[in-house]
Amino acid sequence: DAMVIQNPRYQVTQFGKPVTLSCSQTLNHNVMYWYQQKSSQAPKLLFHYYDKDFNNEADTPDNFQSRRPNTSFCFLDIRSPGLGDAAMYLCATSRDRWRQPQHFGDGTRLSIL
Amino acid sequence: DAKTTQPNSMESNEEEPVHLPCNHSTISGTDYIHWYRQLPSQGPEYVIHGLTSNVNNRMASLAIAEDRKSSTLILHRATLRDAAVYYCILRDVSPNSGNTPLVFGKGTRLSVIA
Repeated sequence: DAMVIQNPRYQVTQFGKPVTLSCSQTLNHNVMYWYQQKSSQAPKLLFHYYDKDFNNEADTPDNFQSRRPNTSFCFLDIRSPGLGDAAMYLCATSRDRWRQPQHFGDGTRLSIL
Repeated sequence: DAKTTQPNSMESNEEEPVHLPCNHSTISGTDYIHWYRQLPSQGPEYVIHGLTSNVNNRMASLAIAEDRKSSTLILHRATLRDAAVYYCILRDVSPNSGNTPLVFGKGTRLSVIA
């Protein structure tokens, strides 16, 4: 059974129209991460939550935000998507931020029209 | 952060062992060596990790050089399902390291031939 669930698997939005991607976990892990993976590239960390503490990577565009209303759910909000934001977005969880393995969902592929 | 170097691609025949190399000549004493793989159209999947000693689990074995400047992920019997991009990543686990994110490099794309 999937332990990190991302919905939807495929999302299409229009240029400039806000979009929200969702992630849920059944592992009760403290940490939830969001990565962006563009075509033929490696995943790149955008930000993470350690419990309720939000941690943004230095080069994550302001266009990207996140919410974590409870332990199980985390959302990625893209305020005004541009064509360059078309990518696979991956959610991951972990018990801690430094040693324990990360568990990934299968991602949401975002297309921008 | 210490960097890793992997071959861009490798090829293996089905049911044969595969040795995926990783060089990390600037590794520090508190860096763990982690391996993840990413199958097509899926998120990355944790494979194995180790510090100094060789490690085995149900998926693979990790052989770590005595000087820790290189390591090898060993798939004992490749199947078609093992075709994926394999990432070798260093994570600092020293007490002061705090947050040590996974920093993915380009990885090695493994093709398995039937």
